[in-house]
Amino acid sequence: GAVVSQHPSWVICKSGTSVKIECRSLDFQATTMFWYRQFPKQSLMLMATSNEGSKATYEQGVEKDKFLINHASLTLSTLTVTSAHPEDSSFYICSAPQSEQYFGPGTRLTVT
Amino acid sequence: GIQVEQSPPDLILQEGANSTLRCNFSDSVNNLQWFHQNPWGQLINLFYIPSGTKQNGRLSATTVATERYSLLYISSSQTTDSGVYFCAGNSGGYQKVTFGTGTKLQVIP
Repeated sequence: GAVVSQHPSWVICKSGTSVKIECRSLDFQATTMFWYRQFPKQSLMLMATSNEGSKATYEQGVEKDKFLINHASLTLSTLTVTSAHPEDSSFYICSAPQSEQYFGPGTRLTVT
Repeated sequence: GIQVEQSPPDLILQEGANSTLRCNFSDSVNNLQWFHQNPWGQLINLFYIPSGTKQNGRLSATTVATERYSLLYISSSQTTDSGVYFCAGNSGGYQKVTFGTGTKLQVIP
């Protein structure tokens, strides 16, 4: 099956700083990738659709200026959490579709 | 968007027991998938099953698209089956996926 990687797998940052998370499709090209967020004991919620060569599409309620998405190439999408606050602490996971969705291993962000 | 409900929300099994997890969706769903989320958070693809029945070892899944539900069967459960099981799918021509509410399974020795 297709492989999607994420980096870093976990990160701790101070409040007010920015954090970048990378999502890569390792053995296929992805013009579209998706970013999800999961709070403890909850399901995954779609945050945004990352589109190669164009702007990302954000779900209702997701601040586009806070969660910056860049789809720089056909194998790489990045999510930058800007001016992070403790309430941004969560598990972030990306996916890329190939008929079915393939998910990265996730990034656990803790903001202190 | 579509709503995806899973049942039961929580399930405790004795090792060796069988179980059935259900996924109901509010509208027609394409590309239905089942996932197992392990304790480290990683989503493991179990089945891609837009319709019909598939089996993989002790696991099998059935999707009845016309009735908007899917079932995941776990037979002879093992402690390593513990975790959260999600179904997910998309509707219409959209690729973005909606996840179900999840079933938390605990298999005890």
